[in-house]
Amino acid sequence: EAQVTQNPRYLITVTGKKLTVTCSQNMNHEYMSWYRQDPGLGLRQIYYSMNVEVTDKGDVPEGYKVSRKEKRNFPLILESPSPNQTSLYFCASSGTLRGTQYFGPGTRLLVL
Amino acid sequence: GQSLEQPSEVTAVEGAIVQINCTYQTSGFYGLSWYQQHDGGAPTFLSYNALDGLEETGRFSSFLSRSDSYGYLLLQELQMKDSASYFCAVSDYSTLTFGKGTMLLVSP
Repeated sequence: EAQVTQNPRYLITVTGKKLTVTCSQNMNHEYMSWYRQDPGLGLRQIYYSMNVEVTDKGDVPEGYKVSRKEKRNFPLILESPSPNQTSLYFCASSGTLRGTQYFGPGTRLLVL
Repeated sequence: GQSLEQPSEVTAVEGAIVQINCTYQTSGFYGLSWYQQHDGGAPTFLSYNALDGLEETGRFSSFLSRSDSYGYLLLQELQMKDSASYFCAVSDYSTLTFGKGTMLLVSP
């Protein structure tokens, strides 16, 4: 089954404790992206990757890092989480058409 | 940059037809997409328009006018399960930018 997976699905952490949210896709997509969703603000892009070892900032990259060492994986790293990073995070991937993206199930993060 | 405008909420009854409009301003444009998101779930792709005109997929249709920077999603024969948030999004070569979403409430 074609899918995007994310782990963990739920995470409660404390300010300053580094964390990683994993994302993996099995569709051989070159393009992957991370979004955060906050009430009333829609989905905002954090980082994206056009291919292995090629990443770029989206609209809200501050406080986040990513890496793309393999085609299927695109982890999101919060090196020093803060409460304003409490949000619902989605990973997505697509083929050649950026407009047709497949989303993972989401990760709910609470930073205390 | 990109910006999109869509209504925040639309209400309708089962069996009716509803249209959700989207206007956009963009510095680069490949296409207009629509996504559905049920409460707490992941966005799921509904449709993509790169060219002017109407695209039909079952009960859902999507329209694009590039000259007017305008599109809409048309949902026919509404069902209770269509109650969800609907997002329009514009794509360029590298990014997908979403509107803030329209909450559709379908009542019996």
